[in-house]
Amino acid sequence: SQQGEEDPQALSIQEGENATMNCSYKTSINNLQWYRQNSGRGLVHLILIRSNEREKHSGRLRVTLDTSKKSSSLLITASRAADTASYFCATDARGSSNTGKLIFGQGTTLQVKP
Amino acid sequence: EAQVTQNPRYLITVTGKKLTVTCSQNMNHEYMSWYRQDPGLGLRQIYYSMNVEVTDKGDVPEGYKVSRKEKRNFPLILESPSPNQTSLYFCASSYGLAADTQYFGPGTRLTVL
Repeated sequence: SQQGEEDPQALSIQEGENATMNCSYKTSINNLQWYRQNSGRGLVHLILIRSNEREKHSGRLRVTLDTSKKSSSLLITASRAADTASYFCATDARGSSNTGKLIFGQGTTLQVKP
Repeated sequence: EAQVTQNPRYLITVTGKKLTVTCSQNMNHEYMSWYRQDPGLGLRQIYYSMNVEVTDKGDVPEGYKVSRKEKRNFPLILESPSPNQTSLYFCASSYGLAADTQYFGPGTRLTVL
């Protein structure tokens, strides 16, 4: 089963509004990452939050992490049409002898209308 | 420019015809991996490599092979492709671990007829 699951699957907002996406995972993690993908193209790293961090900012992005609930959220403030893309969370599995696996959620498709 | 390159970008082939998708990175990264992306299923890891000559299975390794003879290259081999391997494939690399920031290639769209 997927380590990371995202919610909602699709989100449509007006330019200028905020967009919030959520990610839940199942096992303990080292880090949680968020990626962005424009249609059919490679993923681009947005932000990485470590398991001992609770909140992180990068420009208009704000990521929170709640390890007790095994969940994270990505907030994009003052959205722009250029933010239209799919957003994915990705987690590894902490404590496992295997530090090579990275599991992605199914993604949230964000549409920002001008 | 730091980048991950994949070739070919698009490929249409027939069932059973062996093919190789190349992946190369110029960032001296230890970790490399392959993913496939399918509608409704997200990205699923096929294989990964934590160093030269060290490879391991991801979540969907069946029907694929990889090799890591050099640090910069991590080719994905489909010995006998089948239509269910029609997908969008991504190679990624990072400094050391899966937990590190991943740098993705542009993708290879494969169609197996």
